[in-house]
Amino acid sequence: AQSVAQPEDQVNVAEGNPLTVKCTYSVSGNPYLFWYVQYPNRGLQFLLKYITGDNLVKGSYGFEAEFNKSQTSFHLKKPSALVSDSALYFCAVRRMNQAGTALIFGKGTTLSVSS
Amino acid sequence: KAGVTQTPRYLIKTRGQQVTLSCSPISGHRSVSWYQQTPGQGLQFLFEYFSETQRNKGNFPGRFSGRQFSNSRSEMNVSTLELGDSALYLCASSLAGQSSTDTQYFGPGTRLTVL
Repeated sequence: AQSVAQPEDQVNVAEGNPLTVKCTYSVSGNPYLFWYVQYPNRGLQFLLKYITGDNLVKGSYGFEAEFNKSQTSFHLKKPSALVSDSALYFCAVRRMNQAGTALIFGKGTTLSVSS
Repeated sequence: KAGVTQTPRYLIKTRGQQVTLSCSPISGHRSVSWYQQTPGQGLQFLFEYFSETQRNKGNFPGRFSGRQFSNSRSEMNVSTLELGDSALYLCASSLAGQSSTDTQYFGPGTRLTVL
């Protein structure tokens, strides 16, 4: 069975500092990995995905994520946090060659950036 | 290009009633998936439609059903509503649905409250 774990319910960081939101996954075979962000009363916005190739993936709004196969992790990072980055972040996984596009999501991590 | 739209945005129903939610995918997208988001269970996959056929189904009771029309628009229906059905229902569309590398793009959701 596929699963995603986001071990931190909340991450607090000061504006201007680097941020990391952690994600580990479990999937049979090779994974496709995604990060989404959700602002209050809004749907999910796509940030980035890992399909294959370079383990460091760059996405929207200055976010990046590093795929680590040996640690089964896909942590989201940003060099300098902004107050406007405060939101709920979801990591998701899909198994390579699965039929369809259904995603398995983690529980989410609330990022709070203080000024 | 317009994003995924969902109607209505908010809905209040009473136990035992039924409800129909609507989703219009991004133009050109042929796959539509539905997710339920609750504070306790997080984001859970309901079902996916592609070319008017249900391709995948999550672990939800038969009270939850859906369909897709020839223009790729989709509806989901919940019959005999229960209090636990109160949730944010999110629709997501993707381009072709045949490739598991496809990105899903989410709508703003429909907030269903069951009294």
